[in-house]
Amino acid sequence: QITLKESGPTLVKPTQTLTLTCTFSGFSLSTSGVGVGWIRQPPGKALEWLALIYWNDDKRHSPSLKSRLTITKDTSKNQVVLTMTNVDPVDTATYYCAHTPRWLHFYFDHWGQGTRVTVSS
Amino acid sequence: QSALTQPASVSGSPGQSITISCTGTSSDVGAYKYVSWYQQHPGKAPRLMLYDVSDRPSGVSNRFSGSRSGSTASLTISGLQAEDEADYYCSSYTSSSTPVFGGGTKLTVL
Repeated sequence: QITLKESGPTLVKPTQTLTLTCTFSGFSLSTSGVGVGWIRQPPGKALEWLALIYWNDDKRHSPSLKSRLTITKDTSKNQVVLTMTNVDPVDTATYYCAHTPRWLHFYFDHWGQGTRVTVSS
Repeated sequence: QSALTQPASVSGSPGQSITISCTGTSSDVGAYKYVSWYQQHPGKAPRLMLYDVSDRPSGVSNRFSGSRSGSTASLTISGLQAEDEADYYCSSYTSSSTPVFGGGTKLTVL
């Protein structure tokens, strides 16, 4: 049974760096083809894909946010960490991490419950 | 990369069929068979309904089907049920080797 859970601060000040952790179970990030991605959703708005890391350390980032995002994995801890620098109130959203089972097919078959992040001074 | 274009809302009566379109370009939907669809109920995480245009994950009803023609993908729900009322999002692989989501469609079951 695959589960994922996001954790991190609920409130961040503008210009600060946001660090989110996805802790998962039921699969290994050392298994060929497997990846973990981050997707966010501002209140009342659409989903927006942010970043993804695969078992082989292949990393993909949203072109529009690439300069602000860093994604890393700790296979031994079953964790994926996303950092976003220089946050702004427009980054206020629910942030989800999700599992993808097939390299470069970019679909997410298991999702975490999401963590709400507010950017405000 | 721009978000894929979906109708803001669609509606249908129980038992009817509805189709939600997802329009992209020759750099995403039109170029790759890597289109997926998600259902999201209020306050809940998205749920994968279809992947690779028309494949259904285990546990998803066969009332949900997908297709693609040119740069437009479609999700069809047949035998509409009250529980199908939700937001639906499409997603596609792009020539940037990254995915992009659609703007979402609110399905109302009348």
